[in-house]
Amino acid sequence: DGGITQSPKYLFRKEGQNVTLSCEQNLNHDAMYWYRQDPGQGLRLIYYSQIVNDFQKGDIAEGYSVSREKKESFPLTVTSAQKNPTAFYLCASSLLGGNTIYFGEGSWLTVV
Amino acid sequence: RKEVEQDPGPFNVPEGATVAFNCTYSNSASQSFFWYRQDCRKEPKLLMSVYSSGNEDGRFTAQLNRASQYISLLIRDSKLSDSATYLCVVNRLDTGRRALTFGSGTRLQVQP
Repeated sequence: DGGITQSPKYLFRKEGQNVTLSCEQNLNHDAMYWYRQDPGQGLRLIYYSQIVNDFQKGDIAEGYSVSREKKESFPLTVTSAQKNPTAFYLCASSLLGGNTIYFGEGSWLTVV
Repeated sequence: RKEVEQDPGPFNVPEGATVAFNCTYSNSASQSFFWYRQDCRKEPKLLMSVYSSGNEDGRFTAQLNRASQYISLLIRDSKLSDSATYLCVVNRLDTGRRALTFGSGTRLQVQP
């Protein structure tokens, strides 16, 4: 089935450690996105990419990094520089210029 | 001021009731508008797009007022399964970037 797969679904991290969240899509979408959601809040854009080997900062990119080496994959690294990393992270994709985006099931990151 | 504002609710309504949510947006460059539904601890899913002329999908009706910069969602004959958080979403194209901006959501609880 076509879709977006995020892993892991739940992740616990110690303070000071980097962690990478995986996002893979087989929808042949050019554009991919990472959003963060905090309890009772809307989604905030971290990074997005419209083409392989290119990506742009979103509204809250500090403390995060991404790569886009393949069209299907857009991993997000939460670095130790991110002060409040505990959140629900959502990966999404869309056709380039398309209005509708599709989300993965999300990854819950907890810093302990 | 937030770019997209919604009443967080919760809206507690009995089954069969009609309920309406409003959402206001501040950026007049916004071009496309959507309602997404998000169940507890799940990813958002597209409920419907919002067109200038208004549009209906079964029990759901969406309206857009560009002059006043607000969007509405009307749900008729509420079902228990309609209980969820409804996210107002706008898409803007500025500085060459196209990205969705999400409201914080309005929580609906339909009661038997």
